[in-house]
Amino acid sequence: QKEVEQNSGPLSVPEGAIASLNCTYSDRVSQSFFWYRQYSGKSPELIMSIYSNGDKEDGRFTAQLNKASQYVSLLIRDSQPSDSATYLCAVGNFNKFYFGSGTKLNVKP
Amino acid sequence: EAQVTQNPRYLITVTGKKLTVTCSQNMNHEYMSWYRQDPGLGLRQIYYSMNVEVTDKGDVPEGYKVSRKEKRNFPLILESPSPNQTSLYFCASSPPGLSSSYNEQFFGPGTRLTVL
Repeated sequence: QKEVEQNSGPLSVPEGAIASLNCTYSDRVSQSFFWYRQYSGKSPELIMSIYSNGDKEDGRFTAQLNKASQYVSLLIRDSQPSDSATYLCAVGNFNKFYFGSGTKLNVKP
Repeated sequence: EAQVTQNPRYLITVTGKKLTVTCSQNMNHEYMSWYRQDPGLGLRQIYYSMNVEVTDKGDVPEGYKVSRKEKRNFPLILESPSPNQTSLYFCASSPPGLSSSYNEQFFGPGTRLTVL
């Protein structure tokens, strides 16, 4: 079983819509949770980090963490074509990091 | 400019020919790590280093070596590369903090390695 699971997509949403990305993880003692964005041919860059249950908002992005259900989600409001990328969910666990295989998001103008 | 650099960016080599991919950061970060990225498998951690002379295995260390003799540098060594090590490799670093697990990682531009 993979440590971190994501739907590979592609997830297609129209411009201006809300994009919802989901991730589940297997290790209950995981400490930290991250969403990275990766454009094609580029390196990952951090979008959001979250460490405790609940929601965390930063601009158009909201991360949600539910440790009891072992899932993390990322909501992107008012999606823009420039948001089209692969979104990687990452989980930190005692100095090690586990990444999902990523969800490809397409935002159509 | 604060950055993580990797060299070379592209490398084609043959089975068994030793190679080193260099990684350097200018942000005085303590934590550094190597990942490989393969289609459908995502990023997988190879090795990480908490500080100078402190290294540990990640999820997929077989066939790789690392060293951390200076804080800024963390080279990845493939003593005898094989075709299954063909991949996109990323180096990353994190600032010091309460725990490395809580810190954002800054990634280098990647090294695309092909082993024939």
